[in-house]
Amino acid sequence: IVLTQSPGTLSLSPGERATLSCRASRNVSSTYFAWYQQKPGQAPRLLIYGASNRAIGVSDRFGVSGSGSDFTLTISGLEPEDFAVYYCHQFGNSLRTFGQGTKIEI
Amino acid sequence: QVQLQESGPGLVKASQTLSLTCTVSGDSIRTGKYYWSWIRQPAGKELEWIGRIFGSGSANYNPSLRSRVTMSIDTSKNQFSLNLNSVTAADTAMYFCASGGWDLPLGSWGQGILVTVSS
Repeated sequence: IVLTQSPGTLSLSPGERATLSCRASRNVSSTYFAWYQQKPGQAPRLLIYGASNRAIGVSDRFGVSGSGSDFTLTISGLEPEDFAVYYCHQFGNSLRTFGQGTKIEI
Repeated sequence: QVQLQESGPGLVKASQTLSLTCTVSGDSIRTGKYYWSWIRQPAGKELEWIGRIFGSGSANYNPSLRSRVTMSIDTSKNQFSLNLNSVTAADTAMYFCASGGWDLPLGSWGQGILVTVSS
């Protein structure tokens, strides 16, 4: 399953809302869909998966929506620490894939 | 959550085999609660899923790498490993090991290890 993220880069200011999209080449159950955040020099960090299961310590400013082949990550009220690269990920079948990433920059 | 740490050579010659190990702490690798994965990331590029292995030893690999990849588990050392043969410069990347719970995404990640393939 190929995951295509858009846009490639989002230029926003602190306090604004970010909307990131991920389209799958075929349907994926939302139960098996996740989003990661990666900062320079760090491993990816699991943010949120499934219907809206946030990983430990993840702010409720992060939310997800979507089904089928179109999924969205929304970040309300960007904080300085949110400027990073975000990856979508499907783990619905034995062959897992990641999107190519969306960078949120100031 | 488990903790993971990658180890292995940071430099591999082209055409040779890249061998990395991930040491698991915080739980037993043989438990059926987790699957164990490798992911790589060339500098400035996206994440690429390499494959996963279970405590039983069964594994799934990325079709694009399947002919060159082998993963294994060493329960006595609580480690799992990655072997990638016939490497080229295109295999130069940061390699991460990670784990996830049954029917869950990869929630625990190692810090990563940079592997450079030299000619």
